[in-house]
Order: sequence, then C-alpha cells, then structure tokens
Amino acid sequence: GAVVSQHPSWVICKSGTSVKIECRSLDFQATTMFWYRQFPKQSLMLMATSNEGSKATYEQGVEKDKFLINHASLTLSTLTVTSAHPEDSSFYICSARGASGGYYNEQFFGPGTRLTVL
Amino acid sequence: AQSVTQLDSQVPVFEEAPVELRCNYSSSVSVYLFWYVQYPNQGLQLLLKYLSGSTLVKGLNGFEAEFNKSQTSFHLRKPSVHISDTAEYFCAVSGPGNTPLVFGKGTRLSVIA
Repeated sequence: GAVVSQHPSWVICKSGTSVKIECRSLDFQATTMFWYRQFPKQSLMLMATSNEGSKATYEQGVEKDKFLINHASLTLSTLTVTSAHPEDSSFYICSARGASGGYYNEQFFGPGTRLTVL
Repeated sequence: AQSVTQLDSQVPVFEEAPVELRCNYSSSVSVYLFWYVQYPNQGLQLLLKYLSGSTLVKGLNGFEAEFNKSQTSFHLRKPSVHISDTAEYFCAVSGPGNTPLVFGKGTRLSVIA
C-alpha cells in the first residue's frame, strides 16, 4: 500500500513555456501533499505544503506565482512551473500523507520528475 | 522547528566492512525520525523509521538505527556493506501533527571493492 505516482517522470521544455507535474496517491487519500525540489548532488528542499481544498503554504523564498500548486482532490495534486527558465531545471519530488493511522505518521514519496528547461 | 545535521558528506568504506552514518537532530518537541536511500537518478526509498517504542530500529538491506534521545541522534549502521549499498543516504525528521519532513544534507556512501 501507500503508493504515490508522478507524471511525467521526465520532461524537457523550452524557456518561457509552462510545465505541469501531477502527483497522485494511488491507494490512500492524501489529505496533505508536499512538494520538494532537489538540485544535483544536494538535499531535498521543501517548496510548499498543500491541504486538500485549501491554498498551498509556500516556504520562504519560493515564488508562489511561479510554482502554482493545486490540490483539488484527495488523490491528486499538481505543480505547474510557469514561464520556466533554465534555472528552474531540477528534480521535483512530491510526497503525500493521509489522515490517520499509518498513513498519517509517514510521508510517502513519488518517484520524482526531472525537469530540464532549454 | 526541526532541523537535521548529517555530519559526514562522504563516507568511503571497503566492501564487507562496517559503516556508521551519523545523524543528529534538533527539536523542541517529540519527533519521528527516518532514513532514506537514493540511488543515482532515482527517487527516495525508505530504509527505516522511528515513530515510538523500541529505540533500535531495523530496516531494509540489513541496516539498523538507534534513537538516542539524550544525544539527539539517530545514527545508521550496517555491520557489513556491499557494493550495491553505494548511494546517497538522507536522514529526515518530522514533528507531531501535520509537519513536513525536514531533510539533512545527505551522506554519500561509497563502497570500495
């Protein structure tokens, strides 16, 4: 149980375009989803936390107008990188947490999406 | 707020030797502690976790960790490493409630034949 998927796993886009990344919890209801960013050979940095049906809470230094997060249902959250630039190239990882029991005490991670902006 | 310090950025070790990857945390409240492994160009895989109960936790691939509240540590150990253990290892902490995981900077374990 507790499987989280991400789509796409890999995307290349031109500078100035927007890219949408989907994160789905496949076998549990994710009341909270988290988006992390990882640069090469670095750790995961939390970008934002989103609760289903509410606006996302962004970490300091993360531009909310650039990284649009939507958590419209208990199984789906999306991250849209708007007007992407080469410096946005990174590995984006989502994770999900459920409402109770074992799904609440742990975050379950997706496999990540590698974004390359040319 | 919680924070995590992984004291070693790189740890080289010979195959079949023991290894310890160090992790210290800082928190004013009770914590949950995790170790993840990341192989090149892949996502995170949970190795083990401490939520409550026994302070010695066993996980995947023969790894174990011990929660030491007085020293605020959660070091990861393996008695005999294999080449396949070469990867990046992340220690992470979260507090009670709906707080997100905070990650350490990672330790690169390189197993040498």
